[in-house]
Amino acid sequence: AQSVTQLDSQVPVFEEAPVELRCNYSSSVSVYLFWYVQYPNQGLQLLLKYLSGSTLVKGINGFEAEFNKSQTSFHLRKPSVHISDTAEYFCAVGDSLSGGYNKLIFGAGTRLAVHP
Amino acid sequence: SAVISQKPSRDICQRGTSLTIQCQVDSQVTMMFWYRQQPGQSLTLIATANQGSEATYESGFVIDKFPISRPNLTFSTLTVSNMSPEDSSIYLCSVASLYGYTFGSGTRLTVV
Repeated sequence: AQSVTQLDSQVPVFEEAPVELRCNYSSSVSVYLFWYVQYPNQGLQLLLKYLSGSTLVKGINGFEAEFNKSQTSFHLRKPSVHISDTAEYFCAVGDSLSGGYNKLIFGAGTRLAVHP
Repeated sequence: SAVISQKPSRDICQRGTSLTIQCQVDSQVTMMFWYRQQPGQSLTLIATANQGSEATYESGFVIDKFPISRPNLTFSTLTVSNMSPEDSSIYLCSVASLYGYTFGSGTRLTVV
């Protein structure tokens, strides 16, 4: 069975500082990995995804993530954050068993708080 | 990617009653997923619904409480039965397509 662990429940950071949100997964088969962002009282927005190919994935709003199979990690990074990046961030893993997209399992979330 | 229309967007219901949530997709999809997001929490998968077969429920969720219908490849419903205040959550449907997963806008349910 798959599982996702987001290692930090909250990450406070000052504006224009770099940030890394950590995500580790567990799966016995090939996986797809996703990062979603949820702003207060809003729906989920896809930041980026790893399906195959290059392990460095670039997403929207200047975010990127690196898939590390040996460490089963998919950490999210941004070199310089803005106040507007304050939100909840969710890492999610799906598998390709049976050739298609199966259920997506979410981590507990990381609350990113950007301070001026 | 697929576009999902989810209804209702929000509702306030009396305890002991039931609410049916609908999801309509603009293309045919094999799998549809139903999630619950309790206040301040992450998304928890309730069940996977395939057309033409019984839904597969995750641990902690049962068909009597959350019956699901999947009559065709573009539509599904989730019913929250015999509601209690603990069922107050956002319920979302999701589908998988060639490009990944698409989520409905959610149903914000408040049980009073």
